[in-house]
Amino acid sequence: TQLLEQSPQFLSIQEGENLTVYCNSSSVFSSLQWYRQEPGEGPVLLVTVVTGGEVKKLKRLTFQFGDARKDSSLHITAAQPGDTGLYLCAGAVGAQKLVFGQGTRLTINP
Amino acid sequence: GAGVSQTPSNKVTEKGKYVELRCDPISGHTALYWYRQSLGQGPEFLIYFQGTGAADDSGLPNDRFFAVRPEGSVSTLKIQRTERGDSAVYLCASSLRGRGDEQFFGPGTRLTVL
Repeated sequence: TQLLEQSPQFLSIQEGENLTVYCNSSSVFSSLQWYRQEPGEGPVLLVTVVTGGEVKKLKRLTFQFGDARKDSSLHITAAQPGDTGLYLCAGAVGAQKLVFGQGTRLTINP
Repeated sequence: GAGVSQTPSNKVTEKGKYVELRCDPISGHTALYWYRQSLGQGPEFLIYFQGTGAADDSGLPNDRFFAVRPEGSVSTLKIQRTERGDSAVYLCASSLRGRGDEQFFGPGTRLTVL
């Protein structure tokens, strides 16, 4: 069974601070995805990383895939209240299904 | 264009009853996925359809759960003899061809078994 462990599970910080969320596994994934989920809605894809060591940036968000393709991180610079939400990492198993971490619930306080 | 839609948005039922949850994927998407999200957890894979056939049903927890997609579009997830532990948000997603294409999720159906 392939599992993804996210940490921390809960994070509450002040506006303007930086933060990093981690996603770790003992398994290798063909790709890893980060999603954001709002209450009452389904997850929305933020980014997909495929190559070991890959770094992608999306405005103030930086995503990194580990060299061995077993772990990933999401770094947010100068967090804003609009960043509040549930962040999920998911590993692709083959080309079909996604294995999700348990999520990180992020709260940015004004 | 319209996204993935799911009905009903909320379903409350009693233990032992039968329920059906419906998913309308994005038009033209051949791949359809069902996931279950328990409170405080990430989504958990249930089943994947490619066209009309279930290509991977390894996530279905037991034989009380069944899903169909008879015409390769709309899908129905069926749960027999519901148990309190079945309470969760059931998410549907679709992608253009499967094969690693981006999955677009619906808003989910919140199932509560009393």
